[in-house]
Amino acid sequence: EAGVTQSPTHLIKTRGQQATLRCSPISGHTSVYWYQQALGLGLQFLLWYDEGEERNRGNFPPRFSGRQFPNYSSELNVNALELEDSALYLCASSTWGGETQYFGPGTRLLVL
Amino acid sequence: AQSVTQLDSQVPVFEEAPVELRCNYSSSVSVYLFWYVQYPNQGLQLLLKYLSGSTLVKGINGFEAEFNKSQTSFHLRKPSVHISDTAEYFCAVSDQAAGNKLTFGGGTRVLVKP
Repeated sequence: EAGVTQSPTHLIKTRGQQATLRCSPISGHTSVYWYQQALGLGLQFLLWYDEGEERNRGNFPPRFSGRQFPNYSSELNVNALELEDSALYLCASSTWGGETQYFGPGTRLLVL
Repeated sequence: AQSVTQLDSQVPVFEEAPVELRCNYSSSVSVYLFWYVQYPNQGLQLLLKYLSGSTLVKGINGFEAEFNKSQTSFHLRKPSVHISDTAEYFCAVSDQAAGNKLTFGGGTRVLVKP
């Protein structure tokens, strides 16, 4: 069974541009979570989607947004990129109400 | 609010020696606890989890952890490490009231020396 997949693996953008990151959950999982792993800041919760709705968000500005599609895949959009947005962005999925999250390999975003 | 503290940022250890990674958490409600491992340039892999029941939890790759409610700890142990265990290890607590979002500790980097 395929695990969580993310694309692209690497993304290079310049300050002010927009980035779009994609995530496909494990088959049968309806919840998708996004986390940011930035140097020196550790792993921080960004967003949680379930059944197409944003259910919770972490302490991030509104330029971090996303959506979940009917097939439960998800997109994370980061607008007006800043240098400090450079990080590894990890997606995780779980079953509805499931207590265990399974992570993808991540997308490494570099903002120049 | 929940928080997780991993007391050691780096742990050097010789091959075949035991290792213990310490994790303490704070939470006002019942918790689920997790240990994840991150190999260089990879995502997170679940090592083990505590949801309920027996306080001694066994995971993959010979790791185990013990949940201690009175000390609010969830320390990870392995009796004999291999070079391949070189990685960063993260302890996490789940916020059941917020859809099980995870709060992570700062990570412990384990370097296994031959």
